[in-house]
Amino acid sequence: ETGVTQTPRHLVMGMTNKKSLKCEQHLGHNAMYWYKQSAKKPLELMFVYNFKEQTENNSVPSRFSPECPNSSHLFLHLHTLQPEDSALYLCASSSRRAGEQYFGPGTRLTVT
Amino acid sequence: KNEVEQSPQNLTAQEGEFITINCSYSVGISALHWLQQHPGGGIVSLFMLSSGKKKHGRLIATINIQEKHSSLHITASHPRDSAVYICAVSPSDSGGGADGLTFGKGTHLIIQP
Repeated sequence: ETGVTQTPRHLVMGMTNKKSLKCEQHLGHNAMYWYKQSAKKPLELMFVYNFKEQTENNSVPSRFSPECPNSSHLFLHLHTLQPEDSALYLCASSSRRAGEQYFGPGTRLTVT
Repeated sequence: KNEVEQSPQNLTAQEGEFITINCSYSVGISALHWLQQHPGGGIVSLFMLSSGKKKHGRLIATINIQEKHSSLHITASHPRDSAVYICAVSPSDSGGGADGLTFGKGTHLIIQP
């Protein structure tokens, strides 16, 4: 148990659907992150939240919308996605700036 | 060109061999991370270091800040070490708050019995 959980673990959605990914950390950390891992590409940073405030948006298309209601929960709202958005979406948390990051198990997303 | 380069991309070795994975980076950093990813996707942090050398069990990580280079070594390798090993950096030019990581492409390691 890493202390960072993600739901769902697998998601298949059509291009017109709206869905949300959820991340929860039980480690008392202040920073949370969304990363995307596509086939044959390095992991990519999407969003960073520090003390519930978004501090980085790595030029992510607006069809991805993050939400951080408190330091323990992070959501990624998805709408009108494209097939190329199919990937593994990983959540992570850390206690401080540039600190060790703890990763969730990821959500495997397939867009049909 | 990726800011973080790893080599080799793929490595197959026999059980018991000494393994070295290299990482070079081109940006200023506050820390370098070595991560392990098993099939199924879960990622575990192995080391975070900003200078010198760290050891945990059979794993050793070193970093040379002047040369912008780090190595991950595995002694007495075992089939359970088979995984993807990922080098990542925390850039040092962030304006404040939490830093996201910049990743290498990973090294796919297979240890054969």
